[in-house]
Amino acid sequence: DAMVIQNPRYQVTQFGKPVTLSCSQTLNHNVMYWYQQKSSQAPKLLFHYYDKDFNNEADTPDNFQSRRPNTSFCFLDIRSPGLGDAAMYLCATSIKWGSFRPRLVETQYFGPGTRLLVL
Amino acid sequence: ELKVEQNPLFLSMQEGKNYTIYCNYSTTSDRLYWYRQDPGKSLESLFVLLSNGAVKQEGRLMASLDTKARLSTLHITAAVHDLSATYFCAVGDSGNTPLVFGKGTRLSVIA
Repeated sequence: DAMVIQNPRYQVTQFGKPVTLSCSQTLNHNVMYWYQQKSSQAPKLLFHYYDKDFNNEADTPDNFQSRRPNTSFCFLDIRSPGLGDAAMYLCATSIKWGSFRPRLVETQYFGPGTRLLVL
Repeated sequence: ELKVEQNPLFLSMQEGKNYTIYCNYSTTSDRLYWYRQDPGKSLESLFVLLSNGAVKQEGRLMASLDTKARLSTLHITAAVHDLSATYFCAVGDSGNTPLVFGKGTRLSVIA
């Protein structure tokens, strides 16, 4: 089945110790997103890739970086995790049509998430 | 800037009752999505609404979109415990920018 896969599902790291979360997809979608979701809050978009074009949200801290080596994979790097970075991290994918398309349909398909705990 | 407001944020309802969750947004949009999230889980897509007057139904849930009023509703009919979850609406503006999520409505269905 086509899907969005995140690894690991749970990650425990130490304060200041770099951590990498991974996302892979078999949907062949050209857009991949990373969201941060804290308890009882809406998902907060960190950044997204449209193909290889990286789009950073204005309020995403520099501590968060991302890589997309190919269509299928996307990584979230947290360079120096703080206690406030403990959250669920959600990867999502969608298709974005080019400008010649009359309508954009952008249902996002979410992975199961990685719950990050910072000690 | 597109803003999305949901209300109520918390909803406790009895089994068998009907209720409606509202999603208002601030700028022109013709695509609106409803997601469900169970505690500790990811988001599951429920409905995609793409045009004014669109109505979609799945089981006890029905979603509608009024683009003129900039309002979507998620109506719950004869609630059952299995519907307990957090429901998010998400809206895209007319440019190809990422979706903006509402704060979510935490629904609890009690016997």
